[in-house]
Amino acid sequence: AAGVIQSPRHLIKEKRETATLKCYPIPRHDTVYWYQQGPGQDPQFLISFYEKMQSDKGSIPDRFSAQQFSDYHSELNMSSLELGDSALYFCASSFTGGVNEQYFGPGTRLTVT
Amino acid sequence: AQTVTQSQPEMSVQEAETVTLSCTYDTSESDYYLFWYKQPPSRQMILVIRQEAYKQQNATENRFSVNFQKAAKSFSLKISDSQLGDAAMYFCAYRSARYRVQGNLIFGKGTKLSVKP
Repeated sequence: AAGVIQSPRHLIKEKRETATLKCYPIPRHDTVYWYQQGPGQDPQFLISFYEKMQSDKGSIPDRFSAQQFSDYHSELNMSSLELGDSALYFCASSFTGGVNEQYFGPGTRLTVT
Repeated sequence: AQTVTQSQPEMSVQEAETVTLSCTYDTSESDYYLFWYKQPPSRQMILVIRQEAYKQQNATENRFSVNFQKAAKSFSLKISDSQLGDAAMYFCAYRSARYRVQGNLIFGKGTKLSVKP
């Protein structure tokens, strides 16, 4: 079965640089979620999109922005990177016509040096 | 605001034995979903089992089962016949069913499960 695809899997950036993370949801899933998991922590919700519109917002810094495109893939843009942004970034997708089980991608490990 | 608490940072079980991971949550909502996710060393988040709050029957998925006590706001995970591959971090998660579209997961801090051969 198709799974959530995230790219790149690993990313190394320097402070104040910009990073773009991409997510391709499971086919026919209409909702995408972004989570951030710091070292030794639980995943924290950042933002979600339903049918290409922002549906909910969590603890996402103003330096971050995201969007969902017509093909349902989503991108998380992160600017002015800080050391504290180093984390594992997950994308998850779900289909609203059911229990809304969220299926996670493998994550993008971002390291800011 | 909803919160999820996992009071056991670490647990250990002997291979082939049974272990129960605890989870409690706090909410004023009556309709919601509860999940257990497994995160092995690969860091992939894997859905293990889910429970709808309106269902009284406890969910079961092969060797995994839950004990859902709605009044007590308790949602424990029982793993039977533990296998070495069960070693992982386990996260309990809550999702509101209030809105059809909204519904991010709220996670507990996790329980690290070790399986001894």
